[in-house]
Amino acid sequence: GQNIDQPTEMTATEGAIVQINCTYQTSGFNGLFWYQQHAGEAPTFLSYNVLDGLEEKGRFSSFLSRSKGYSYLLLKELQMKDSASYLCAVRRNYGQNFVFGPGTRLSVLP
Amino acid sequence: DGGITQSPKYLFRKEGQNVTLSCEQNLNHDAMYWYRQDPGQGLRLIYYSQIVNDFQKGDIAEGYSVSREKKESFPLTVTSAQKNPTAFYLCASSKFPDRTPVTGELFFGEGSRLTVL
Repeated sequence: GQNIDQPTEMTATEGAIVQINCTYQTSGFNGLFWYQQHAGEAPTFLSYNVLDGLEEKGRFSSFLSRSKGYSYLLLKELQMKDSASYLCAVRRNYGQNFVFGPGTRLSVLP
Repeated sequence: DGGITQSPKYLFRKEGQNVTLSCEQNLNHDAMYWYRQDPGQGLRLIYYSQIVNDFQKGDIAEGYSVSREKKESFPLTVTSAQKNPTAFYLCASSKFPDRTPVTGELFFGEGSRLTVL
């Protein structure tokens, strides 16, 4: 079966650092993606990992451990506009088929 | 500018009616997808298509139908057989990641919110 887990909600303070975890068990793996989704809007692509290790992109970093089925998204210097849901998605290796986790709703407080 | 256009943005339907949601992309992407999102839940795959005239069922295809007659277009019909169609529907497209540095991430449209009255 396909299973992706993320915490449902997280809260952090403006200027702080927050780590959002994602664990997965999928039939096939060909990359892990993180998307940001503001309420009522479409998801937008944040980061991609296919090999183990850390990928850094400005204030956002993403880490992958394939042997552990684990990833995290690290957000630094939090801003109010970072309040959104963060979706973890795995691309399975047959075709271009993505499966999404339930999303983590992050609230950034002043 | 390239992108994905979904229409309508909001749609109301009476029970027993079929409705069709439009999705058009001008990104020259090979693959197109339809996802459904319910409050507090992740995106669930309805159908996807990797090439013209071919499509595959996703995890929740029952009560839905699609066509892929053109590379740019992937309309979704929500039929009266779909028992709980009220949801936020997202269309997406992607390139095949057959050459680096293409990652093949999904590009999403703005979504269509369907409400059954």
